[in-house]
Amino acid sequence: DAMVIQNPRYQVTQFGKPVTLSCSQTLNHNVMYWYQQKSSQAPKLLFHYYDKDFNNEADTPDNFQSRRPNTSFCFLDIRSPGLGDAAMYLCATSRDWAGGLNEQFFGPGTRLTVL
Amino acid sequence: GIQVEQSPPDLILQEGANSTLRCNFSDSVNNLQWFHQNPWGQLINLFYIPSGTKQNGRLSATTVATERYSLLYISSSQTTDSGVYFCAVGSDKAAGNKLTFGGGTRVLVKP
Repeated sequence: DAMVIQNPRYQVTQFGKPVTLSCSQTLNHNVMYWYQQKSSQAPKLLFHYYDKDFNNEADTPDNFQSRRPNTSFCFLDIRSPGLGDAAMYLCATSRDWAGGLNEQFFGPGTRLTVL
Repeated sequence: GIQVEQSPPDLILQEGANSTLRCNFSDSVNNLQWFHQNPWGQLINLFYIPSGTKQNGRLSATTVATERYSLLYISSSQTTDSGVYFCAVGSDKAAGNKLTFGGGTRVLVKP
C-alpha cells in the first residue's frame, strides 16, 4: 500500500545533541510537510516543500532545518534540541496545492523526548 | 490567517449513542479534512470534504462552505471511536495550502 513512513517512531536525545528525523513516502506526492504537535495541542506546521522548493513558516525557530534530497525522502534536523522541543513530529504529503489534489496524508509520527 | 474552532472540546458518550461534532472556520477554504487521532498519535484521515456530504460506515460529514462550518456525525458509537477528532482547513490564500487545525474534540466512549 502507498503510504507515509516515519523513522524512528520514538527518539530520545540529550539536551543540545543534534537529532534527525526521517520521512519517506511511496505516494509520489509533490508536497511534503513537517508538523510539530505538543501534548494536548493541535499540530502546527513548521515548513513544507513543493518539490525542491522550501517554505519556512515565519515562526519556526532557526533551530529547525529540513532537507529533501529527492521526491521520496524528507528530513527534519533539530540542531540543538531544548526541553521545549519534546513533541510528536508529524510528516504529511499531498499531491499538489490545488483544490481536489491537496488532501494531506500523515505518517505515524516520531515522538521525541529530550533529556 | 484562518481561525478554526471546534465544539464541544470534550464529549463523553455511552456506547451506542450518536453525536455531532462541529467545526467553524473564518474564511473561504479549498480543503477541509476531518481526522481521528488514535492513542498512538497517528492522524487517521476520515474525510476530505471542502464542500458537500460524505458517508463512510457509521461516520458521515457535511460541509456548508457558504456558511463556513462542517459537521461530523458519529452514529452507534463504539469504544474504538474514542480519541481526539480534529478538523483542519486549508486555503489557496495560504502558502502551500497549509492545514490550520482546530483545537480538537476529545471523545470518550464508555462501554
